[in-house]
Amino acid sequence: NAGVTQTPKFQVLKTGQSMTLQCAQDMNHEYMSWYRQDPGMGLRLIHYSVGAGITDQGEVPNGYNVSRSTTEDFPLRLLSAAPSQTSVYFCASSYASGGGGELFFGEGSRLTVL
Amino acid sequence: QQQVKQSPQSLIVQKGGISIINCAYENTAFDYFPWYQQFPGKGPALLIAIRPDVSEKKEGRFTISFNKSAKQFSLHIMDSQPGDSATYFCAASMGSGTYKYIFGTGTRLKVLA
Repeated sequence: NAGVTQTPKFQVLKTGQSMTLQCAQDMNHEYMSWYRQDPGMGLRLIHYSVGAGITDQGEVPNGYNVSRSTTEDFPLRLLSAAPSQTSVYFCASSYASGGGGELFFGEGSRLTVL
Repeated sequence: QQQVKQSPQSLIVQKGGISIINCAYENTAFDYFPWYQQFPGKGPALLIAIRPDVSEKKEGRFTISFNKSAKQFSLHIMDSQPGDSATYFCAASMGSGTYKYIFGTGTRLKVLA
């Protein structure tokens, strides 16, 4: 099994550009989420989804959009990139219904906004 | 309060020593406390987790100690090895009914050979 796959691994954007970070999982997990990791800040939840067609905001949702059209895919969109969005982004999924289960993370996407 | 406070920020331990990382929380509704291990260039991976109905959980060289009254939990790594050098995150969630995990700020552990 591939687990959680994120693309691209590295990306450089200019301020104002848009892009989509892709996330796919092959474990049939209902729960998927996006985190950003910044030095000294830990992992902060951006958006999450508990199933196809259902999404909700996390701690730091501003500047990001998500959608969940299939169980497998959960893309994260930056509509107008800002330098404050320079970060490492992780997608994670979980099998647990009702929460409190193990999160399976991808290897991350490092984004630099100039 | 939704925060999980983690300390220390960094830790250097000699090979064979004990590494101890501490976390504290405020929200008594949290009922699931995992620790994640992250190697450079990789995503975090679950190391060990505990629920508040027990005070300690041990898996190999890794032990979680949980103090419900103090709202604190800690990770102990016995006989620390250079291969344990990584960043460790504690986390908390309210388990059933929510998928929101609150992570600590991380501890960078270096084990000297």
